Amino acid sequence: AQSVTQLDSHVSVSEGTPVLLRCNYSSSYSPSLFWYVQHPNKGLQLLLKYTSAATLVKGINGFEAEFKKSETSFHLTKPSAHMSDAAEYFCVVSDLDFNKFYFGSGTKLNVKP
Amino acid sequence: DGGITQSPKYLFRKEGQNVTLSCEQNLNHDAMYWYRQDPGQGLRLIYYSQIVNDFQKGDIAEGYSVSREKKESFPLTVTSAQKNPTAFYLCASSVRPGQVSTNEKLFFGSGTQLSVL
Repeated sequence: AQSVTQLDSHVSVSEGTPVLLRCNYSSSYSPSLFWYVQHPNKGLQLLLKYTSAATLVKGINGFEAEFKKSETSFHLTKPSAHMSDAAEYFCVVSDLDFNKFYFGSGTKLNVKP
Repeated sequence: DGGITQSPKYLFRKEGQNVTLSCEQNLNHDAMYWYRQDPGQGLRLIYYSQIVNDFQKGDIAEGYSVSREKKESFPLTVTSAQKNPTAFYLCASSVRPGQVSTNEKLFFGSGTQLSVL
């Protein structure tokens, strides 16, 4: 069975400082992992995905995530936060056999001026 | 432009009433999904469909129904049996695994906010 745990429901950082959003997963298979971002009252946008290629994945808007199998983690990072990064972020694992996607409970990122 | 269109953006339901949320995609995707979003709970899968005329229950299907008569359309009906329908509903689609492009990325609509009067 697949599941995702996002360890922080809220993260607050100052503009210009690093961002770390944590995600741990559980999967019976070699997983595909994603990070999606949701801005208020909008749909979700894909930030990046890991599909068994390079373990360090670069996404849009300066975000990246590292797949660590030994730690079953896929944490999202960004070196310097921007005000426009304030949003809710979801970590997702997909089960390719069944074409289903499992979402974490989300992390709300607040960026202070 | 290709994408997913959800309508309406806001919907109000009276007690005992069935309401239908529309989801249309022109991406030629086989798989379509309905998710419900509640604060602090992430997205939970209601129903999904991998091919026309076939659909499967997700984790919270009770009180909902769907149809998939056309590849591009996957409407969701919130029935009167759904006692707590107030939520943000998101429709998504993806290419099925095994196709030439094994891109399992989900494409999302902009959502429908359903509230109870």
